[in-house]
Amino acid sequence: ILNVEQSPQSLHVQEGDSTNFTCSFPSSNFYALHWYRWETAKSPEALFVMTLNGDEKKKGRISATLNTKEGYSYLYIKGSQPEDSATYLCAFSHDYKLSFGAGTTVTVRA
Amino acid sequence: DSGVTQTPKHLITATGQRVTLRCSPRSGDLSVYWYQQSLDQGLQFLIQYYNGEERAKGNILERFSAQQFPDLHSELNLSSLELGDSALYFCASSDDGSNQPQHFGDGTRLSIL
Repeated sequence: ILNVEQSPQSLHVQEGDSTNFTCSFPSSNFYALHWYRWETAKSPEALFVMTLNGDEKKKGRISATLNTKEGYSYLYIKGSQPEDSATYLCAFSHDYKLSFGAGTTVTVRA
Repeated sequence: DSGVTQTPKHLITATGQRVTLRCSPRSGDLSVYWYQQSLDQGLQFLIQYYNGEERAKGNILERFSAQQFPDLHSELNLSSLELGDSALYFCASSDDGSNQPQHFGDGTRLSIL
């Protein structure tokens, strides 16, 4: 199982502010990078699956970028809302396995 | 609703016992994945099945086994249970391939007393 690191571990954002956080993964043998949102008392929900270097994906106010050469992905939340409060997980895909990071927990303050 | 069904939602048992967790994948999905989330740990990949065949194995203990049946539902068997096996066990399914999103069930919370 490969090392996938997410930073920061947690962050607090004022409602209306934008934020971003990082996922680092091995840059060799890249296949795909997944992002999931995990709300308290629910199960992880898929946001994006990214496969190409330079890829950008967007879903509403949430977007993600991918740099496979240097092994990182950014997730951005624009104009944070209380419903964005969740833990955001990234996962590196290799050999049909997903190695998850520990997540970034986002708390949006009204 | 992800379309993935896990039963039971909660399970309480004693050390040394054996339990079976069940997962029905989303309609049309051929791949089933099992994950373990212990206290203070992230999601740990256990095993994947694709169309009835084992495809990938993670850090799954020898006391644990799984299978996927012809109707594509899967079962995770945990035996000789220890206190450290207490965790939330998730099942996920996907169409196929590592570049497809996985759809997670609500999990089974296993408590070992």
